[in-house]
Amino acid sequence: GQNIDQPTEMTATEGAIVQINCTYQTSGFNGLFWYQQHAGEAPTFLSYNVLDGLEEKGRFSSFLSRSKGYSYLLLKELQMKDSASYLCAVRRTSGGYNKLIFGAGTRLAVHP
Amino acid sequence: GAGVSQSPSNKVTEKGKDVELRCDPISGHTALYWYRQSLGQGLEFLIYFQGNSAPDKSGLPSDRFSAERTGGSVSTLTIQRTQQEDSAVYLCASSFPGLAQDTQYFGPGTRLTVL
Repeated sequence: GQNIDQPTEMTATEGAIVQINCTYQTSGFNGLFWYQQHAGEAPTFLSYNVLDGLEEKGRFSSFLSRSKGYSYLLLKELQMKDSASYLCAVRRTSGGYNKLIFGAGTRLAVHP
Repeated sequence: GAGVSQSPSNKVTEKGKDVELRCDPISGHTALYWYRQSLGQGLEFLIYFQGNSAPDKSGLPSDRFSAERTGGSVSTLTIQRTQQEDSAVYLCASSFPGLAQDTQYFGPGTRLTVL
């Protein structure tokens, strides 16, 4: 079957660092995406990992370990505007096409 | 346009009525996806289009739900005889599978409320 787990809620302080974990079990794994979703808005693409290791993009980094079925999103120098839900999505390739399976999302609250 | 657009942004309807939701994907994106997001929940896959064909309809919750895509572009999701449990945000995404990353880009969604 398919299962994606991430914490429901997290809180952090402005200027700090926060790590949001995601574990998954799926067949046909072909990459992992992180999306940011502000309340009432569309998900926006943050990062993509298909090989093991760390991908860094400004204040945001994402890590993948395929053997452990594990990823994390690291947010540095937190700002109030980073308060949002963060969605972990695993891509499966099956039948010749790609399909994203989403976790329930982690709601991050950044406070002063 | 530059991004995925959806209309209407909000739709309030009475139980039993039919509704149509529209999605305009990014120009040139051959893949199009519909998702549903209930309050505080993750995204639930509904249907996938490649061109005008729908090779994966596995997420449609019942036969009241249908979707079509014409000209390899605009897609319409139709819900017949709406029920209160259909209330959710319906999101559309598009991508270009010719690129290895094949990132899906989302529209702003249609918030459907069934009274």
